[in-house]
Amino acid sequence: GEDVEQSLFLSVREGDSSVINCTYTDSSSTYLYWYKQEPGAGLQLLTYIFSNMDMKQDQRLTVLLNKKDKHLSLRIADTQTGDSAIYFCAERRPRDNRLAFGKGNQVVVIP
Amino acid sequence: SAVISQKPSRDICQRGTSLTIQCQVDSQVTMMFWYRQQPGQSLTLIATANQGSEATYESGFVIDKFPISRPNLTFSTLTVSNMSPEDSSIYLCSVERAGGPSDTQYFGPGTRLTVL
Repeated sequence: GEDVEQSLFLSVREGDSSVINCTYTDSSSTYLYWYKQEPGAGLQLLTYIFSNMDMKQDQRLTVLLNKKDKHLSLRIADTQTGDSAIYFCAERRPRDNRLAFGKGNQVVVIP
Repeated sequence: SAVISQKPSRDICQRGTSLTIQCQVDSQVTMMFWYRQQPGQSLTLIATANQGSEATYESGFVIDKFPISRPNLTFSTLTVSNMSPEDSSIYLCSVERAGGPSDTQYFGPGTRLTVL
């Protein structure tokens, strides 16, 4: 399909791990990104992964990329209340060099 | 990264009026973009703001409705013209520095527009 797909809502207890999933559309996309949008704020770049990588770890964040299935995931370890936000995945499509965003996944952290 | 500011941060406007949104970046950038985020939705690219020439609009967006200026490499404006309630959205400015390892886009804080 043409749309980057994400599940919509995730509730997680403080201290647990969160996993957010995304299915992107173009197997030739060069970079895949995760953005965070806190309530009332713009988008903050969290991390990105180049398409020739399978995994990238950055402190509490782990990104996994399955190119065969065009599947991207973001794992947040030791989830904190400040992680409550909407998380968007995005792919950079070579055909127009533009970012295509998923619909976002709202994460609610329960103290 | 880049520090991006937008003005106004929010506004409530009457139907039929126009609003100009400003985007200022703390350093020169090659690419500037304007996005719309309708309530509960993802981001939709409106146009690419080109320095020294007309903006490049995406399908479904036209210059008469969303005129854009980009007088230099650090500043751009987006005008939402002849507004209707359907234009109520968050409008986000984004910049990109080409040539880096990821050509990453950075976003401003957004302008929350409500049209009555």
